[in-house]
Amino acid sequence: DIQMTQSPSSLSASVGDRVTITCRASQSINTYLNWYQQKPGKAPKLLIYAASSLQSGVPSRFIGSGSGTGFTLTISSLQPEDFATYYCQQTYSAPPQTFGQGTKVEVK
Amino acid sequence: QLQQSGPGLVKPSQTLSLTCAISGDSVSSNSASWDWIRQSPSRGLEWLGRTYYRSKWYYDYAVSVKSRITINPDTSKNQFSLQLRSVTPEDTAVYYCARYCSGGSCFVDYAMDVWGQGTTVTVSS
Repeated sequence: DIQMTQSPSSLSASVGDRVTITCRASQSINTYLNWYQQKPGKAPKLLIYAASSLQSGVPSRFIGSGSGTGFTLTISSLQPEDFATYYCQQTYSAPPQTFGQGTKVEVK
Repeated sequence: QLQQSGPGLVKPSQTLSLTCAISGDSVSSNSASWDWIRQSPSRGLEWLGRTYYRSKWYYDYAVSVKSRITINPDTSKNQFSLQLRSVTPEDTAVYYCARYCSGGSCFVDYAMDVWGQGTTVTVSS
């Protein structure tokens, strides 16, 4: 199975900050990389698919980039509703789809 | 939209059974698969399996649960189900159903764009 490694595991930031989360795949996955946001007690919500395509209804401050083995999710200006945990997911070699371990974005 | 139902408490060695009712799409869609995922502090987000229809029904299961899992579509009720047999406390988790889109009538490619609300399942006597 392809392993997905996110960094950092958690970060502290303030409203208005630019936040960057990194996801690395154990082998090349082209651009078969998705990003999800999860808030406590809720299901994951799709933000970005195919590495850089914004899901309908998701604010444009969420930006995905990368290909091959290295990917980033950038929040250009952090908003109060963005404090959550973010997961990357590869669907290149599926099944099984595999997820990163998550990055928790907390209030500084 | 996906609506999950099923018990939140299961005894060890028994069978965990959950159902996911679909609205706004069809379990027989040619551009989606219908997946089960679970989440626990120790395992994170773990994909368990899926069913999908491409002229016939297909099933894929995670190696970790392959000997214990069954996912079944129910076209009459437009839903799909998860059965996990011989559960242990290690199967305690939040279980989610999700639609995995692969183009066609879906608006996204190769991603899970719709999720159920989640069911917290505890395995305990």
